[in-house]
Amino acid sequence: GAGVSQSPRYKVTKRGQDVALRCDPISGHVSLYWYRQALGQGPEFLTYFNYEAQQDKSGLPNDRFSAERPEGSISTLTIQRTEQRDSAMYRCASSLRLAGNEQFFGPGTRLTVL
Amino acid sequence: GESVGLHLPTLSVQEGDNSIINCAYSNSASDYFIWYKQESGKGPQFIIDIRSNMDKRQGQRVTVLLNKTVKHLSLQIAATQPGDSAVYFCAETQGNQFYFGTGTSLTVIP
Repeated sequence: GAGVSQSPRYKVTKRGQDVALRCDPISGHVSLYWYRQALGQGPEFLTYFNYEAQQDKSGLPNDRFSAERPEGSISTLTIQRTEQRDSAMYRCASSLRLAGNEQFFGPGTRLTVL
Repeated sequence: GESVGLHLPTLSVQEGDNSIINCAYSNSASDYFIWYKQESGKGPQFIIDIRSNMDKRQGQRVTVLLNKTVKHLSLQIAATQPGDSAVYFCAETQGNQFYFGTGTSLTVIP
């Protein structure tokens, strides 16, 4: 069956531009997580949703980062006024149950800020 | 911040041998632990998990051991195969946040 998908797979942008990263979770999965992963490092938690409600955004680095999941399915992570330090792999994961423990990860979006 | 780390960044094993990957965690309140496998260019893939009320759990060719006294987690892979070559991450959960370690790169030598 279809797994978690993310788009775009690669995004190159200029410093100061806004970017929107999309995550399509597995159908029926109620929890959705966003992570950032640096090369050679484990994923770093950013935020997560149960259905459409954002439960925890304590991992978002600053107020330039925001996320939404308005209909409890697709989610968008938005980074405003991008900076070079925002360059990373952004990964989305979903789980079947609330605060589900088995998370299924997407392929990620590689963001490069020039 | 929380600390979840791995003792060895790289591990090479001969095909058919058993592999042991270790992980230390710092928060004694963590109640759930997971091992993930990440192949090059792909997202992390769930391998096995264990709750803090257990000290051992077995899956297919994999075993996770949890020692809460010393806050140590290990992943044992039996009869390691070339397809096991990947980076392995341990993760601990505190509430609904997952904290991942740095990762150990496992290379299986044919």
